[in-house]
Amino acid sequence: EAQVTQNPRYLITVTGKKLTVTCSQNMNHEYMSWYRQDPGLGLRQIYYSMNVEVTDKGDVPEGYKVSRKEKRNFPLILESPSPNQTSLYFCASRFVGTSVSSSYNEQFFGPGTRLTVL
Amino acid sequence: SQQGEEDPQALSIQEGENATMNCSYKTSINNLQWYRQNSGRGLVHLILIRSNEREKHSGRLRVTLDTSKKSSSLLITASRAADTASYFCAKATNAGKSTFGDGTTLTVKP
Repeated sequence: EAQVTQNPRYLITVTGKKLTVTCSQNMNHEYMSWYRQDPGLGLRQIYYSMNVEVTDKGDVPEGYKVSRKEKRNFPLILESPSPNQTSLYFCASRFVGTSVSSSYNEQFFGPGTRLTVL
Repeated sequence: SQQGEEDPQALSIQEGENATMNCSYKTSINNLQWYRQNSGRGLVHLILIRSNEREKHSGRLRVTLDTSKKSSSLLITASRAADTASYFCAKATNAGKSTFGDGTTLTVKP
């Protein structure tokens, strides 16, 4: 089944304790991205990657790191989490480039990771 | 506020009625996408419209794009209670940045 998986789904941690949220996709997508969603708001892009070893900042990159060593994985790292990083996090992936298929560039989302930083 | 802005923020209608949501954006786009999100869950892609297209249909969904006004609309016809969800537009650029609006929360009453 084509999917984006995230782990863990729920995490409660304390300020300053480094954590990693994993993201993996099995669709051979070049593009992967991380978003955070806060109550009543849309998604804000944290980082994205157009391909292996290529990453770029989104709109809210402060306090986060990412790496893209393999095509299928795109982990999100919080070196020193703070309470303002309490949020719902989504990973997404898609193909890069164009196609006659109108849905070619649609993003596929993971189920989300609910993070609480105390 | 973010680049893609939905209007209205909330919409409540009766089953069978049509629902129209609007999205505005500020800079040029490669394509604009609409997504649906059920409470606290992942987003599901509904429809993508490219910058050189004006209208797309998919089942009960109709999306229009007016690049001169930098706006798009999503119409859901003959709504059902199961359409209750939040709907987001997302603006995508060639460079890979993706910007979502704050969404429209649709409630369809049976």
